[in-house]
Order: sequence, then C-alpha cells, then structure tokens
Amino acid sequence: KNQVEQSPQSLIILEGKNCTLQCNYTVSPFSNLRWYKQDTGRGPVSLTIMTFSENTKSNGRYTATLDADTKQSSLHITASQLSDSASYICVVIGYSTLTFGKGTMLLVSP
Amino acid sequence: DVKVTQSSRYLVKRTGEKVFLECVQDMDHENMFWYRQDPGLGLRLIYFSYDVKMKEKGDIPEGYSVSREKKERFSLILESASTNQTSMYLCASISYRGRGMPKNEQFFGPGTRLTVL
Repeated sequence: KNQVEQSPQSLIILEGKNCTLQCNYTVSPFSNLRWYKQDTGRGPVSLTIMTFSENTKSNGRYTATLDADTKQSSLHITASQLSDSASYICVVIGYSTLTFGKGTMLLVSP
Repeated sequence: DVKVTQSSRYLVKRTGEKVFLECVQDMDHENMFWYRQDPGLGLRLIYFSYDVKMKEKGDIPEGYSVSREKKERFSLILESASTNQTSMYLCASISYRGRGMPKNEQFFGPGTRLTVL
C-alpha cells in the first residue's frame, strides 16, 4: 500500500532559526515528490517539485532534498519568519496516483 | 492568475440539505479531484474524474456524488448533508502525459469550509 509518513507532526521554533521537516514514502512506481505549504483556512500552495533524478531543489529560503534510494525527502527552512507558520504537506505522485502525508504543523514564534 | 476556483469559501448548511460544491479550472486539465481535509487525518480523496462524464470513487466516497459535464467543471454533491461532513473541501486538477507522468503541477483551489448544523 502506498504510504507517506511525515515527521514531526508539529514543531515550534523561534523566528530566525532553521528547521528541517521529514517525509518518508513507500510509493511505487514513483514519478515525483512535492512539498506544499498550506496556511490556515487556505488551499495548499506548491513549494517544490522533484523527480527521481533530482537530489535537491531550492525555492527561496526553502530547500528540498530527495533520496530516491532510501525513499526519503526533507524540507529545510532557513532563517524562519513568522509567515512560515503553516502546515507543510508532502505529496508523492506515482503513475496516476497521489499519496499525501498528513502534514507537519510549523509554528514560528517571535 | 487564478487557476482553480471553488464556488464558496465558507458554507453553512443544515442536516438533510442537499449541498453543491463547484470547482472550475482554467488549465484544460483532464483530471480533477475532490478531497476533504480534517485535523489529524490529512487529505482524503473522495472522488476523482479523468475525463468528462467519467468518475471514480476515492477512499471515502460514501455520502457523496460528483458530476463532470464539462472538462473545466467538477461538482461535488452531498445528497443529504450530515454533521460528520463538516470539513474543509479542496478541489485540485492535474494533467498527465504518457506513462502517467504528470505534465503540470497539481493545482489546488482555495478550499470550501463547510459546516453542517
């Protein structure tokens, strides 16, 4: 069964600090992996899209890594800002399948 | 530039009412999806459609039906709303090229927060 596990479930960090969110998956066949940011009460917005041949991809202060061998991905947030407080969802896409993680709730505290 | 729109951001209905949630996308995507999102459960697929007039059940189709009469529009219908259908409903669309490889990014709508009293 295709599964996506995210950790931690929730996280509180101080403004300006860095953090890393984890995503482990067992989706096969694998097409690409995406990280989404979802503000409270809003739809998810894409941060990064990575295919199996890509190891790392950046979008501003967000950097995603992918290890297709171990089926692990991480999202690193640098110099966090209050506006980074949101839920971060990992989505793994196979051939016509979409498998969602339950998300990590990040709270950036002043 | 708006990609996926949903008819309402907030909706309050009474138990037993028939509810229509509309989703429209302007990207000519073949595939459209309806999810519901609940705390601690993440996103769960209700129904999806891979072409006009085609529909497939997702993981939790009970109590819901869908309609896809036009490519750009995918409607979710609650025939008789119940309190356990209070949730955030998200619509999304995606287009695939050969061998199931996604051609475009999956886009989500802004969501509809439905409350059933």
